[in-house]
Amino acid sequence: QSALTQPASVSGSLGQSITISCTGTSSDVGAYNYVTWYQQHPGKAPKLMIYDVSNRPSGVSNRFSGSKSGNTASLTISGLQAEDEADYYCSSYTSSSTLEVFGGGTKLTVL
Amino acid sequence: EVQLLESGGGLVQPGGSQRLSCAASGFTFSTYAMSWVRQAPGKGLEWVSGISGSGGSTYYADSVKGRFTISRDNSKNTVYLQMNSLRAEDTAVYYCAKGQTTYYLPGYDFWGQGTLVTVSS
Repeated sequence: QSALTQPASVSGSLGQSITISCTGTSSDVGAYNYVTWYQQHPGKAPKLMIYDVSNRPSGVSNRFSGSKSGNTASLTISGLQAEDEADYYCSSYTSSSTLEVFGGGTKLTVL
Repeated sequence: EVQLLESGGGLVQPGGSQRLSCAASGFTFSTYAMSWVRQAPGKGLEWVSGISGSGGSTYYADSVKGRFTISRDNSKNTVYLQMNSLRAEDTAVYYCAKGQTTYYLPGYDFWGQGTLVTVSS
């Protein structure tokens, strides 16, 4: 069982918007602004999409945005495109002895 | 262009040891923390270990503490993961990942292609 909770799957139609949630605790997501989101296509390495809750690395589309409220972080993808179909993982710094925890991943299907 | 190239994966027996290497290029290696993240077959990502840019600070997940050792040689632009007392549950693709600061923090902007470690008799 992963430390952070994500929905196993979400889906959306081309051009629509979706939001993926990432629920933690007051020891991780709720305590630190070090929430990160990664995109992973099958057989590929993860790609950084959002860091520090809401910052986008250069080269990442502004269709991707991140936010946080309390112990839950969210990734929103607007204007869904076929290439957005992938697995998405959140991670957070944590005060536990294991310094970083990941969510179980969410499979995004673009209809 | 930033490149991270892992090596050292393979088949190892339970209780055995393996050393992974990650050769970096395209950036000032000593300036950035590095981490290892693994992914068991068909499963999610799991942070394993991190090391600061200088190598003076190291960090481990509880699941590998006391068995794995991370280190780096800044003269060779290489980070290592020495894995001892391997278990079946350590079977995974191991990714090397570059941090965004000299101190360890989550958020890796470049990843290697991964190297598969299989622990089985």
